[in-house]
Amino acid sequence: DAGVTQSPTHLIKTRGQHVTLRCSPISGHKSVSWYQQVLGQGPQFIFQYYEKEERGRGNFPDRFSARQFPNYSSELNVNALLLGDSALYLCASSRTGTGNYGYTFGSGTRLTVV
Amino acid sequence: DAKTTQPPSMDCAEGRAANLPCNHSTISGNEYVYWYRQIHSQGPQYIIHGLKNNETNEMASLIITEDRKSSTLILPHATLRDTAVYYCIVSPDNYGQNFVFGPGTRLSVLP
Repeated sequence: DAGVTQSPTHLIKTRGQHVTLRCSPISGHKSVSWYQQVLGQGPQFIFQYYEKEERGRGNFPDRFSARQFPNYSSELNVNALLLGDSALYLCASSRTGTGNYGYTFGSGTRLTVV
Repeated sequence: DAKTTQPPSMDCAEGRAANLPCNHSTISGNEYVYWYRQIHSQGPQYIIHGLKNNETNEMASLIITEDRKSSTLILPHATLRDTAVYYCIVSPDNYGQNFVFGPGTRLSVLP
C-alpha cells in the first residue's frame, strides 16, 4: 500500500509569495494533520482535518490555511511568505482522526523562503 | 509546551538493548503515551503507544510505571538503522487532538 504522499518534495519561494503544499493520505484514512518542523526542533501542529472539517488548529497566523477534499487529500496554503516559514512541512494521516491507530507521516515538503 | 522530558542524547552499542526514558509527571488519566522516531530527512515513524499496561510489538516494548509518571521505550537489539531522534508524546485520544513534540532524544547506535 502507498504511504502518505506529499508534493512537492522541495520548494524554493521568495518572500511575499504564496505556496500550496499537497498531501494524499493512506487509502481508507479520513484524517489529515499538518505539522511544521523547523531545523533542530520537533514538529509543531498546524491543522487537523477529519471528514473535510477542521477539527483542530495550532498557534499559527491566519496566513496559514488548509482544506480537505472529498477524496480526503489535503492542501496547506501559506500566504505572504516570511523567511521564518522555511521549514519541513509534514502531513500525517490516520484512520479515525485520533491517535489510537497511530498517525502515519509523509516524508514532508522542504520549503525554503529566500 | 511539551508535557514530556527526555534526555537530549544517548549512545547504545549495536546489538545491545536501548532503553530510552521519558518523564511525564503531569500526565492526565485520559492521556496515552506515544513514541515516534525520526530518521534524518524523513517523517516521524510510529513505534508504539500505551495507556497503563506495558505494550510490546515487533519494533519495541513500552514500559509504563504504575503511577504513569514515566515510561521507558526498549529497543531489544539495537541496530545502526535505529539511529534516530526518538519522541515521547502524551496525548488524549480525541478528535482534533494534536501531538506536541518536544526536542526528543537523539539515539546514536555505535558499531
